[in-house]
Amino acid sequence: DIQMTQSPSTLSASVGDRVTITCRASQSISSWLAWYQQKPGKAPKLLIYKASSLESGVPSRFSGSGSGTEFTLTISSLQPDDFATYYCQQYNSYTWTFGQGTKVEIK
Amino acid sequence: QLQLQESGPGLVKPSETLSLTCTVSGGSISSSSSYWGWIRQPPGKGLEWIGSIYYSGSTYYNPSLKSRVTISVDTSKNQFSLKLSSVTAADTAVYYCARSSPLYSGTLFDLWGQGTLVTVSS
Repeated sequence: DIQMTQSPSTLSASVGDRVTITCRASQSISSWLAWYQQKPGKAPKLLIYKASSLESGVPSRFSGSGSGTEFTLTISSLQPDDFATYYCQQYNSYTWTFGQGTKVEIK
Repeated sequence: QLQLQESGPGLVKPSETLSLTCTVSGGSISSSSSYWGWIRQPPGKGLEWIGSIYYSGSTYYNPSLKSRVTISVDTSKNQFSLKLSSVTAADTAVYYCARSSPLYSGTLFDLWGQGTLVTVSS
């Protein structure tokens, strides 16, 4: 089974900061990597697909990069609405796996 | 506008079977060539994929839950369902149903239900 490891688990940042979250796969997943944002009491929202493609309607301050086993989600200038928990998710051979999540908190 | 809605008991006794249904509205479950999945989230914890079903009926399960999970689809009712047997308190979670669209090669979950909390307790 492919394991997904996110770091850090928690991140404290201020409005306007550049934020980077890392997701590592235990084996190569090509570019089948998605990123989601989840707010308390809500379902996850798709932000990035195929590692670096921005979902329609998602602000351009969000970007994704990487391939193989290492991936990053970057928020170029953190906004008040961005304080949330972020999850990566891989797909490989009819198995879908999530990372453990990164909570972005107000510093 | 396609929408997903979970339904089922909010309380299940230990050792019994958890049963949930996801109703798809605003479109046909069988016309979009999508995968339909179940994901859960224990209180205060992360997301766990439970399993997925193709509109034709092929199923795919999380290996860690495979022995207890059954997912089925009823195209006549535009619904798909989850059964999780022999539940314990560790199965207490918010359960989400979600779609994996062919627009994304079925590799992610692009549309989610609002989620339903299921508590396992006697």
